[in-house]
Amino acid sequence: SQQGEEDPQALSIQEGENATMNCSYKTSINNLQWYRQNSGRGLVHLILIRSNEREKHSGRLRVTLDTSKKSSSLLITASRAADTASYFCATDASGTYKYIFGTGTRLKVLA
Amino acid sequence: NAGVTQTPKFQVLKTGQSMTLQCAQDMNHNSMYWYRQDPGMGLRLIYYSASEGTTDKGEVPNGYNVSRLNKREFSLRLESAAPSQTSVYFCASSERGGVGQPQHFGDGTRLSIL
Repeated sequence: SQQGEEDPQALSIQEGENATMNCSYKTSINNLQWYRQNSGRGLVHLILIRSNEREKHSGRLRVTLDTSKKSSSLLITASRAADTASYFCATDASGTYKYIFGTGTRLKVLA
Repeated sequence: NAGVTQTPKFQVLKTGQSMTLQCAQDMNHNSMYWYRQDPGMGLRLIYYSASEGTTDKGEVPNGYNVSRLNKREFSLRLESAAPSQTSVYFCASSERGGVGQPQHFGDGTRLSIL
């Protein structure tokens, strides 16, 4: 069963705008990761946030985590055409080290 | 740096044929994983190997077997391929099993079963 569910399933924005995508999960976690997948390629790790952290930044990426709501968000600021990709969250259920991936958000950035 | 290398990149099989997908990593990682990705389903874990010499089932292990040949290599075998196994298969590795470990992915093997 899916642990993470991303929302929206698809998002289309203009270059320069911000993109926000959300991830909800079902059980307690130790940490949550976000990955990017370009068409025809493997996943690339973007950022990891631990359960005791509320916000984390990496370049144009900002991730928040709300463990009380079992949700996380990924914000990409000042988007570029090169950000066009699918974005996945991955969570580990507490007590295991098997990651479960969500179904992804397909982001299209229009030039 | 090659990272995680998967072979082959594409393969077409007939129902009932067998096949081994190969994966090798050059990052001296301890843990390795096999996933399948189907449209609208995200990635699902098939098998993983926390360290050399150990393997464990993931979410969808039926119809597959794995071998952790050495620290670098982790292969996935389909003994009798079925159309339901048509998918894109990804191998990944991480420095060690356990929480807080980013996974590094290969570019996948696109497998079609006719």
